[in-house]
Amino acid sequence: NAGVTQTPKFRVLKTGQSMTLLCAQDMNHEYMYWYRQDPGMGLRLIHYSVGEGTTAKGEVPDGYNVSRLKKQNFLLGLESAAPSQTSVYFCASSLPVGELFFGEGSRLTVL
Amino acid sequence: GENVEQHPSTLSVQEGDSAVIKCTYSDSASNYFPWYKQELGKRPQLIIDIRSNVGEKKDQRIAVTLNKTAKHFSLHITETQPEDSAVYFCAADAYSGNTPLVFGKGTRLSVIA
Repeated sequence: NAGVTQTPKFRVLKTGQSMTLLCAQDMNHEYMYWYRQDPGMGLRLIHYSVGEGTTAKGEVPDGYNVSRLKKQNFLLGLESAAPSQTSVYFCASSLPVGELFFGEGSRLTVL
Repeated sequence: GENVEQHPSTLSVQEGDSAVIKCTYSDSASNYFPWYKQELGKRPQLIIDIRSNVGEKKDQRIAVTLNKTAKHFSLHITETQPEDSAVYFCAADAYSGNTPLVFGKGTRLSVIA
């Protein structure tokens, strides 16, 4: 039982490049989330999903896209990376109410 | 939408003393208030939560209190130990099933031995 797994854990991009972060959970959770964490800013919600095939915008969605084609996977895409997207990204999953289970985080640097 | 304010942003205490972190929220419909602990380089993990039908909840050295009238809730850590050093986040949720948690900006707690 791995819980929530994020790949890759580290990535360096050049401005304008694209990439996808993959989140996988094995707890059969309906809800999945992508947060970004920056110093002094806490955890800010990028996008979330309340079920397979559904996605919704969070607090800071600009520059990101997401897809939830399978219940266990939630993908976060950056189409044209910018230095402002340098951050640590956390995926999480949960039941409709209750505890969020976080992945280990993915550290992204955009040069 | 919900807005969560957390204070202080940093807190230093001597080992054995108590630590208190306070949060306020804006949405009176919110009724689920968890606290997460994040150690350096690790993922956030739930340490305690409280629902709006309860005023206080304890789990060993940690406790959370909730004042729905004033829209604030607090985390209390007693007999602090060095391993309590971490960043603590409060959060609020409208408990509707479709509303994600909104987090405070975090409090960095340092316990000095």
